[in-house]
Amino acid sequence: DARVTQTPRDKVTEMGQEVTMRCQPILGHNTVFWYRQTMKQGLELLAYFRNRAPLDDSGMPKDRFSAEMPDATLATLKIQPSEPRDSAVYFCASARTGTYEQYFGPGTRLTVT
Amino acid sequence: GQQVMQIPQYQHVQEGEDFTTYCNSSTTLSNIQWYKQRPGGHPVFLIQLVKSGEVKKQKRLTFQFGEAKKNSSLHITATQTTDVGTYFCAVYFGNEKLTFGTGTRLTIIP
Repeated sequence: DARVTQTPRDKVTEMGQEVTMRCQPILGHNTVFWYRQTMKQGLELLAYFRNRAPLDDSGMPKDRFSAEMPDATLATLKIQPSEPRDSAVYFCASARTGTYEQYFGPGTRLTVT
Repeated sequence: GQQVMQIPQYQHVQEGEDFTTYCNSSTTLSNIQWYKQRPGGHPVFLIQLVKSGEVKKQKRLTFQFGEAKKNSSLHITATQTTDVGTYFCAVYFGNEKLTFGTGTRLTIIP
């Protein structure tokens, strides 16, 4: 049963520290999305890639967030420096081009103190 | 930006009662998806609707797309404790960016 995996599942860090979240999309899925979920804002799209190329990162705070896909099996989301307002659950999702169903990973719960 | 309004925000029902959540848009939609997120879990795709007036069923769940393609509903018949969670509608507005509704959180009173 193919699944999107994310690490770490939980991360507690202090303000100012760098945070790196990783995602392994489902094999064969060439579109990868990063979402952030908070009680206040709901589910927000931060960035997405197709065939490893960034297509849109307009939802991401540019000064501190960066997203990359070093290879087809790994997507990363970095926050440097982290701030308390970044506390949220970050989801990665993947999809196969031509289909609109997105498969979400279990998420990384980030707490910045 | 474009968005979809989802109501109600919360719904508490007795086990066995029915439940409905609604999604509305001011513009005509080409598609609408529904996701379920269990407490502490991640969104899970349920279904996609694309045709005007489309009705699809999955066991006790009935999904409808309005004739004008501006609204959609998810109806659960005879709720069970396993139905607990937040139900989201989501729409692709002309590109691959999925816009999620605010969700309806369903709690079941046993």
